[in-house]
Amino acid sequence: NAGVTQTPKFQVLKTGQSMTLQCAQDMNHNSMYWYRQDPGMGLRLIYYSASEGTTDKGEVPNGYNVSRLNKREFSLRLESAAPSQTSVYFCASSYRDYNEQFFGPGTRLTVL
Amino acid sequence: AQRVTQPEKLLSVFKGAPVELKCNYSYSGSPELFWYVQYSRQRLQLLLRHISRESIKGFTADLNKGETSFHLKKPFAQEEDSAMYYCALLKSGAGKSTFGDGTTLTVKP
Repeated sequence: NAGVTQTPKFQVLKTGQSMTLQCAQDMNHNSMYWYRQDPGMGLRLIYYSASEGTTDKGEVPNGYNVSRLNKREFSLRLESAAPSQTSVYFCASSYRDYNEQFFGPGTRLTVL
Repeated sequence: AQRVTQPEKLLSVFKGAPVELKCNYSYSGSPELFWYVQYSRQRLQLLLRHISRESIKGFTADLNKGETSFHLKKPFAQEEDSAMYYCALLKSGAGKSTFGDGTTLTVKP
């Protein structure tokens, strides 16, 4: 089992460009999450999907959109990237939303 | 609103010394609390959760509802314990986890 996979690993964007971060899990988990990790600020929840077909805003949703494509995949889209979105992005999944979360390796995004 | 505070960003101890990573929370309901760990160049992973009352890699954490704390302890630190540790609170039934800012633990030889 690969667990939680994320692509790409690294990305550099210019201000105003758009991109989609991909996340997939092969553990038959129902819930999936997107976090950003900034120095000194821990992990902050951007969006989550408690189950296939549902998505909800987290703590810092502005500037992002998500799609729960199917049970396995949960993508995060930046429509118009800004320097403030420079961060490391983690995808995670859990069997139910009250279970432990399993994390992907992260995507390091730089917006110039 | 729920909140998790880890007051120490950096913590350094010598090998064999006891270590305590502090975590305080604010939440009006019944919380579920977790400790996650991120070793160098590895993924964030669960270390332990309060409901299981386990000891993992020699670490324990007790939920103190009176003091709203969930401190992580180990009596004898090892060099391989050096990592970033996150305390997290799960709001029961809501699916949203709140993470603290993390504590970087360094265990010196």
